[in-house]
Amino acid sequence: GAVVSQHPSRVICKSGTSVKIECRSLDFQATTMFWYRQFPKKSLMLMATSNEGSKATYEQGVEKDKFLINHASLTLSTLTVTSAHPEDSSFYICSAQTSGRPDTQYFGPGTRLTVL
Amino acid sequence: SQQGEEDPQALSIQEGENATMNCSYKTSINNLQWYRQNSGRGLVHLILIRSNEREKHSGRLRVTLDTSKKSSSLLITASRAADTASYFCATDPYGNNRLAFGKGNQVVVIP
Repeated sequence: GAVVSQHPSRVICKSGTSVKIECRSLDFQATTMFWYRQFPKKSLMLMATSNEGSKATYEQGVEKDKFLINHASLTLSTLTVTSAHPEDSSFYICSAQTSGRPDTQYFGPGTRLTVL
Repeated sequence: SQQGEEDPQALSIQEGENATMNCSYKTSINNLQWYRQNSGRGLVHLILIRSNEREKHSGRLRVTLDTSKKSSSLLITASRAADTASYFCATDPYGNNRLAFGKGNQVVVIP
């Protein structure tokens, strides 16, 4: 149980295009989802927290107009990287949390974004 | 800034040996968690230790927590090649599940 999927697993796009990454909780309802980014050989950095049906809360230094987050249902959150540039290339990981286990986050497998 | 910070050294050990990693953090915490990440993959939750606990075991994993020193250690006993991964500690400095991850410690277990 507690499986989180991400789609796509890898994406390559041209500079200036927008890319949407989906995060789904497959067998539980995720009241809260989190988005992280990870640079090579670095740690995860929290980008934003999203609760179903409400606006995402962004961490300091994260551009909300650049990284659009939508959490339209209890099983789906999307991260859209708008007008992507090479410096946006990174590994994006989502996690999901259920109200029944507030101390635990279940992580997705990550999405590798490469912007040419 | 990251609240949890492991020692940056990578660790390379022979199969069967024990692997120990350390983590330090800066703020008061309710709990501290350890995660494993295989190369290019997501994170797997290993163990959570609460602030009122000093030691916790889970299979071959042993975690200690010293809140006076704001530090934690993760011990993997009788390591296996499959334990090769990066290990991160994470704290919840704000108490709202906004996790702060440490730098990670890469462990290579040589068969």
